[in-house]
Amino acid sequence: GAVVSQHPSWVICKSGTSVKIECRSLDFQATTMFWYRQFPKQSLMLMATSNEGSKATYEQGVEKDKFLINHASLTLSTLTVTSAHPEDSSFYICSASDPTGYNSPLHFGNGTRLTVT
Amino acid sequence: AQKITQTQPGMFVQEKEAVTLDCTYDTSDQSYGLFWYKQPSSGEMIFLIYQGSYDEQNATEGRYSLNFQKARKSANLVISASQLGDSAMYFCAMREGRNSGYALNFGKGTSLLVTP
Repeated sequence: GAVVSQHPSWVICKSGTSVKIECRSLDFQATTMFWYRQFPKQSLMLMATSNEGSKATYEQGVEKDKFLINHASLTLSTLTVTSAHPEDSSFYICSASDPTGYNSPLHFGNGTRLTVT
Repeated sequence: AQKITQTQPGMFVQEKEAVTLDCTYDTSDQSYGLFWYKQPSSGEMIFLIYQGSYDEQNATEGRYSLNFQKARKSANLVISASQLGDSAMYFCAMREGRNSGYALNFGKGTSLLVTP
């Protein structure tokens, strides 16, 4: 089955620093990947849609200059949290579907737990 | 407006019993897909079952079945013969035909606890 790998699993950083999270599709090509954010005991909220070779599409209320997304290849998308602050502490999880289509499930990475001190 | 509604924040079920997790949805699209995911405490999202808007039969996958009532816009998940390992968060999600890039919209989830 389709496997999505996400790294790192957890990261602790100091306020003001930047953190990069990688999302890879291991056995399929993903022209589109999705980044979600989940606060404790809450639902997954779509942050942005990452498109290979073009700019990401951000959901309303998500700061594109703070959450930089790069999708440079068909198997790799990265999310960089710039100038992180404690309120950015959250669980970030990426996903992709193989094949694409409205009846295809999203396959998720294992998520990254970010703690900003 | 909330597109996916899960009204049960938490549910208990005894081992080996069946449990139904509720999900209602709101869409004006004719083409849409409904998905259920399980999220254990480790955080991974595990795909369980899918129901398409044009599917006439209720979806089944092992111990999971989906009670799809299109007119009522409900897509309840039924877990039969519950196991202790079923304890987790369960999310209902929808993909609408007009969604760009095929993203899923998730409900708030239901926390299921299976007791011995």
